[in-house]
Amino acid sequence: EDKVVQSPLSLVVHEGDTVTLNCSYEVTNFRSLLWYKQEKKAPTFLFMLTSSGIEKKSGRLSSILDKKELFSILNITATQTGDSAIYLCAVDFRNQFYFGTGTSLTVIP
Amino acid sequence: NAGVMQNPRHLVRRRGQEARLRCSPMKGHSHVYWYRQLPEEGLKFMVYLQKENIIDESGMPKERFSAEFPKEGPSILRIQQVVRGDSAAYFCASSLTLMRGGRYEQYFGPGTRLTVT
Repeated sequence: EDKVVQSPLSLVVHEGDTVTLNCSYEVTNFRSLLWYKQEKKAPTFLFMLTSSGIEKKSGRLSSILDKKELFSILNITATQTGDSAIYLCAVDFRNQFYFGTGTSLTVIP
Repeated sequence: NAGVMQNPRHLVRRRGQEARLRCSPMKGHSHVYWYRQLPEEGLKFMVYLQKENIIDESGMPKERFSAEFPKEGPSILRIQQVVRGDSAAYFCASSLTLMRGGRYEQYFGPGTRLTVT
């Protein structure tokens, strides 16, 4: 069964647009929720979220977790072509990391 | 401070042969995870190992697949008698054992792309 579901599956935007990527999950009592960016190589770490309602920011990227509603969002403002990638969400639950299938983001000039 | 290393980066095997994938974790990391990424699918957990111990192998197929993480040397994912359906990217990740500064994330290697012909 899919413990982690990401939406949309794919997204095409113009440079400068703001995007919101969604991650919903089924498990409770997990250790953390993580966001990764995957280009044509291994996933690279973006954020780790453990507490509900606390926003994490890194440049144009930000993320927040809602443990009550069981979802997280990843925001990217002023998108650039270099943001084009697959964005993966994962839940750290009982020593396993459950990944969603990712959202494929394409930013066109 | 080298990251997670995997080799080979690309591996081609004929059906029925054995594939051996290696993963060297980041320095100081003693937890290793293997994932498989099939085309058009997300990363799927396979196995979680600590030094000389398999902690959780619930994501690994019961037959033909095995993993080890010896006291010395890299972690090995072994696939015996490969079939076309084994063609995928296999990623290894490592992590620290303890919470440190509130951070406890996995670091991924570049992956091994296995092609079975």
